Amino acid sequence: DSGVTQTPKHLITATGQRVTLRCSPRSGDLSVYWYQQSLDQGLQFLIHYYNGEERAKGNILERFSAQQFPDLHSELNLSSLELGDSALYFCASSPLGTGVTGQYFGPGTRLTVT
Amino acid sequence: GQNIDQPTEMTATEGAIVQINCTYQTSGFNGLFWYQQHAGEAPTFLSYNVLDGLEEKGRFSSFLSRSKGYSYLLLKELQMKDSASYLCAVRSSNDYKLSFGAGTTVTVRA
Repeated sequence: DSGVTQTPKHLITATGQRVTLRCSPRSGDLSVYWYQQSLDQGLQFLIHYYNGEERAKGNILERFSAQQFPDLHSELNLSSLELGDSALYFCASSPLGTGVTGQYFGPGTRLTVT
Repeated sequence: GQNIDQPTEMTATEGAIVQINCTYQTSGFNGLFWYQQHAGEAPTFLSYNVLDGLEEKGRFSSFLSRSKGYSYLLLKELQMKDSASYLCAVRSSNDYKLSFGAGTTVTVRA
């Protein structure tokens, strides 16, 4: 158990809908990262928040947005969902510098868009 | 940006040794990580290198050559439970972002 929690574990929804994925980082970690992993794309970095502020953006679609709240939990919002958005979405956390242990990953949310 | 290459698949026999290579090109290097990921599960941290040389942790060792943009993960005394995907990831010195390779699927056969 990494100490990072994600809800829900599974999500099935229809095209055009909007969903929110939630992540609680490890106690004491200020950084939260979101990744998308699909079968043909590998693990893709989406966005990084540190202590409530956006620090880095990857290949995140405009239909996707995220935020980190004062209690450090984070939410990833996916809207106007398409079939191609079906994937595993991972949240990871770390202290800013990640030290020698990199990032700790949560169990993921499996999103299926039908 | 980062460009990370690793082989797609490798197969080895239980008890044997397997070496997974990773080459990278980066605009700002701040460490290289190896993660293990079983199908449908979260990546878990295996090793970290920021200086050149070999880091050994039990059956797993990782090597880094920064001048060559090269790393390898060595898995010794392979066990069936080592069948998994192994991800090479490079950390950026600019924003601490991890960029992942596509992963190497290792299959251990009896």
